[in-house]
Amino acid sequence: DTGVSQNPRHKITKRGQNVTFRCDPISEHNRLYWYRQTLGQGPEFLTYFQNEAQLEKSRLLSDRFSAERPKGSFSTLEIQRTEQGDSAMYLCASSTEGAGREKLFFGSGTQLSVL
Amino acid sequence: LAKITQPISMDSYEGQEVNITCSHNNIATNDYITWYQQFPSQGPRFIIQGYKTKVTNEVASLFIPADRKSSTLSLPRVSLSDTAVYYCLVGDRGNTNAGKSTFGDGTTLTVKP
Repeated sequence: DTGVSQNPRHKITKRGQNVTFRCDPISEHNRLYWYRQTLGQGPEFLTYFQNEAQLEKSRLLSDRFSAERPKGSFSTLEIQRTEQGDSAMYLCASSTEGAGREKLFFGSGTQLSVL
Repeated sequence: LAKITQPISMDSYEGQEVNITCSHNNIATNDYITWYQQFPSQGPRFIIQGYKTKVTNEVASLFIPADRKSSTLSLPRVSLSDTAVYYCLVGDRGNTNAGKSTFGDGTTLTVKP
């Protein structure tokens, strides 16, 4: 068990560019989450997958954001036409299914800076 | 969504017991309470989870009163390495309510020598 892995750790981009982040969950975990966190705030839910199915999306997830989890393994989060307001830490978490007893295992996040 | 309120910051000294309270007045019947710890440049790490009364594990205790409108994380004999941000998460961890779980804004605990 190597934990949840996120790449890259840091990303600097110019406004208007597209960026893609990758998350590799713990191998036996079938649930995968994306969160966004800004300085001084708690993580905000973005979207959730159970295996390859995207079951929930926050209204925070505008049309410029898209997430995939092909074959129920790794996941990618893409932001198109980035804006300065997208600057944040993007966290991925995984867990096993277990209603009421779920523990989220987080990666170290991808810090995005949009110039 | 449950509205979460936590103190912004707390200070303590090594060896003391620290209690951090989270207020969640509109907690729903199916909601569990989970606490996470976060260090700079890292993702949050699970500490403890409970539904009612008291839960204890090797690192912390969680006290939840009968009305469940608040919860208290208790850290016994803190050390400098416990300096971190502590988040309270309230939500139904069932299959279809991932987005309805809410993190508080966190309590920054500073442990002094």
